Amino acid sequence: DTAVSQTPKYLVTQMGNDKSIKCEQNLGHDTMYWYKQDSKKFLKIMFSYNNKELIINETVPNRFSPKSPDKAHLNLHINSLELGDSAVYFCASSPSLGYGGDTEAFFGQGTRLTVV
Amino acid sequence: GNSVTQMEGPVTLSEEAFLTINCTYTATGYPSLFWYVQYPGEGLQLLLKATKADDKGSNKGFEATYRKETTSFHLEKGSVQVSDSAVYFCALKIGSSASKIIFGSGTRLSIRP
Repeated sequence: DTAVSQTPKYLVTQMGNDKSIKCEQNLGHDTMYWYKQDSKKFLKIMFSYNNKELIINETVPNRFSPKSPDKAHLNLHINSLELGDSAVYFCASSPSLGYGGDTEAFFGQGTRLTVV
Repeated sequence: GNSVTQMEGPVTLSEEAFLTINCTYTATGYPSLFWYVQYPGEGLQLLLKATKADDKGSNKGFEATYRKETTSFHLEKGSVQVSDSAVYFCALKIGSSASKIIFGSGTRLSIRP
């Protein structure tokens, strides 16, 4: 009964390939995020969705495309993978409007993407 | 803009030592402040939080007080254990729940037996 689950946990692929990372949350949250963690552990937000609507889209190459089929899922599709895309990608979710700014995020275990 | 600055690591301490990890923030509004912890090979977990000035968050022996006058949220623990070895992230969040959480760069903590 994992709260936020991502698959796969590890992903090794060649440059130029297209891959997807799936994320599901069973917490009933309306907001979901994707974060990228680089080799120095720095966390940078990529996208945020609220009720399947894109809210935040940081400066991310358009090879990255999030897709939210319903509010419990936020998948990340990456086209034409590059070496620099190697990182750990974290999905997260948080409660929605009415809770104000004090709502923390719940994170998945991360997907370690290695592009070779 | 909004940002979080925390002390660079790695921090290496002996077991039972006193821990302080400094965190300061810049924010245009009234943020909520958080400490997250990432154990090796795992995702981030919320350690503690504070939502307004002078609030103290505490959990697992860790404490942090929201200091508006110094814009700080330093993490402290009186006696660390080997199991506390992890990366610690200070973070802030402003406004609606759909707003982004901004993280500091993380501080790696290693505790020697």
